[in-house]
Amino acid sequence: SQQGEEDPQALSIQEGENATMNCSYKTSINNLQWYRQNSGRGLVHLILIRSNEREKHSGRLRVTLDTSKKSSSLLITASRAADTASYFCATVPWQGSSNTGKLIFGQGTTLQVKP
Amino acid sequence: SQTIHQWPATLVQPVGSPLSLECTVEGTSNPNLYWYRQAAGRGLQLLFYSVGIGQISSEVPQNLSASRPQDRQFILSSKKLLLSDSGFYLCAWSVHGEQYFGPGTRLTVT
Repeated sequence: SQQGEEDPQALSIQEGENATMNCSYKTSINNLQWYRQNSGRGLVHLILIRSNEREKHSGRLRVTLDTSKKSSSLLITASRAADTASYFCATVPWQGSSNTGKLIFGQGTTLQVKP
Repeated sequence: SQTIHQWPATLVQPVGSPLSLECTVEGTSNPNLYWYRQAAGRGLQLLFYSVGIGQISSEVPQNLSASRPQDRQFILSSKKLLLSDSGFYLCAWSVHGEQYFGPGTRLTVT
């Protein structure tokens, strides 16, 4: 079953602008991850944020997590044409002592960065 | 460094034919392994996962099956393909939570 829902479904911006994508989920989580997928390719892991973390940075990426609202956001600053891709959030549900690492993906946000 | 291989890259099969997709991981031991399917323009659906040799958990009942004959080998199979089996199949591995994906196999059932 799908746990994450991303918003917006599609986003088009100019190079240099910031892009913000949001993700909401339904159940308690162990961690939340963001992935990027270029058209027709496999997914690339971007960043992982644990349930006890509120914000994480990696280069031009900033991820926030609000467990009270069951939501996360991914901010890409100073976007580039090469950032054009689909972005997915994925959650690892909290399973107590058993951690299989299963990911439940959202439907994704398609980002287009125009040169 | 770790690498993950999937083959074939593309496959066109008639309805009712068998299927075997293979995934192998190099450079790590005892990884968790996963099979996902992605329909066009949609997110990934987890099909199977494995935490060890011979240990397979199914997430979605369907006419697909999975096997893990070796620590770093994960196979997705079907005895008779359906039209609805068309999609992009992705294998992934993880050790510490983050998942690393293979390049995928695009399957078209005709």
